[in-house]
Amino acid sequence: QVQLQESGPGLVKPSETLSLTCAVSGGSISSNHWWSWIRQPPGEGLEWIGEIHHTGSTNYNPSLRSRVTISVDKSANQFSLKLTSITAADTAMYYCVRQFDYWGQGTLVTVSS
Amino acid sequence: EIVLTQSPGTLSLSPGERATLSCRASQSFDSINLAWLQQRPGQAPRLLISGASNRATGIPDRFSGSGSGTDFTLTISSLEPEDFALYYCQHYGSSPPLYTFGQGTRLQIK
Repeated sequence: QVQLQESGPGLVKPSETLSLTCAVSGGSISSNHWWSWIRQPPGEGLEWIGEIHHTGSTNYNPSLRSRVTISVDKSANQFSLKLTSITAADTAMYYCVRQFDYWGQGTLVTVSS
Repeated sequence: EIVLTQSPGTLSLSPGERATLSCRASQSFDSINLAWLQQRPGQAPRLLISGASNRATGIPDRFSGSGSGTDFTLTISSLEPEDFALYYCQHYGSSPPLYTFGQGTRLQIK
């Protein structure tokens, strides 16, 4: 059973960079799947941030592309998200996802000084 | 970018009743690119249906999806208590790659 676990700071200051990591267990990140980050502001809907394949190929949501980098670490079986120039609008639950069939439990990131 | 509009916003039904949730797209697309997700309170979403009508692993057969073009439907044949949740439809676009979601339908106990 594939499991995904997000980790990272729960509180980030405005203008800083948010960094999150998703550890994959029970399966290989080098399998032929796309690995995504999705976020959900409190009480709101879902927003796809972007995805990565183990080959390093990435796709990003055009609305966030200028601020997002997703990377993969095959040796650690994990992938990561960096989101720069954070504002309060980036406060959300952040989920890592394998091709929508497996989801992490999510990690709440609050942007506040 | 395709915009998905779900209706109704909130649906109030009783256990045992049939639920019909709608997802309408701003333009037509291949039904292989339509999925349905369920989100229970305090939980991550989970995949129910992919390709408009294919149940994901472990999803009970009371859940079914249908539709094509711009109109898609999720039907729950007989509601169980655990089915009262939020439901999202989701589209995958390939040029450029982009996943978008409907705003959600809240299914609540009447």
